[in-house]
Amino acid sequence: AQSVTQLGSHVSVSEGALVLLRCNYSSSVPPYLFWYVQYPNQGLQLLLKYTTGATLVKGINGFEAEFKKSETSFHLTKPSAHMSDAAEYFCAVSASGGYQKVTFGIGTKLQVIP
Amino acid sequence: DTAVSQTPKYLVTQMGNDKSIKCEQNLGHDTMYWYKQDSKKFLKIMFSYNNKELIINETVPNRFSPKSPDKAHLNLHINSLELGDSAVYFCASSPGQKSYGYTFGSGTRLTVV
Repeated sequence: AQSVTQLGSHVSVSEGALVLLRCNYSSSVPPYLFWYVQYPNQGLQLLLKYTTGATLVKGINGFEAEFKKSETSFHLTKPSAHMSDAAEYFCAVSASGGYQKVTFGIGTKLQVIP
Repeated sequence: DTAVSQTPKYLVTQMGNDKSIKCEQNLGHDTMYWYKQDSKKFLKIMFSYNNKELIINETVPNRFSPKSPDKAHLNLHINSLELGDSAVYFCASSPGQKSYGYTFGSGTRLTVV
């Protein structure tokens, strides 16, 4: 079974500051890892994903995440926060291979302060 | 052109009623899903279909019954609605290999009164 822990249900940053959203996972097999963003009253949108290969993955809107197997982490970062980044962010994990479900974290609400 | 479309967007109904939510995707994906998002934003998978075949069926009350007439459509029928069914229901699709990630619909907000 897989699980995801997102540290911090709410994160506040100033506009222009570094964004760091933390995600740790648990998986008995090599994981696939994802970050999704949800704007108010909308569905989730895929930001980026890690499956295999390069451990630093770049996504849309200037976000990136690094897969660290030794730390079982997949933290999301962005060098400079923009007001439009304010949203709910979800980390998700699934096992590689077969039809296995994707498990989502509880989400982190990012507030950007002008 | 919306990739994954759900109808209706809002649904307010009384306890005990039966209702359906429809989902259609025009991406040519093989796999479709229903997720439930509760008031705390927690997302939980309910069902998954691959090419009209049920492949994931989580512990969901029998009152919930999915139907996939073809691989582009996945509907959710709910019988005898209860207050606890109030949530946002999301449909999603993927090409069949989950490594591609999901494309989500915009959700159906169900309120049971």
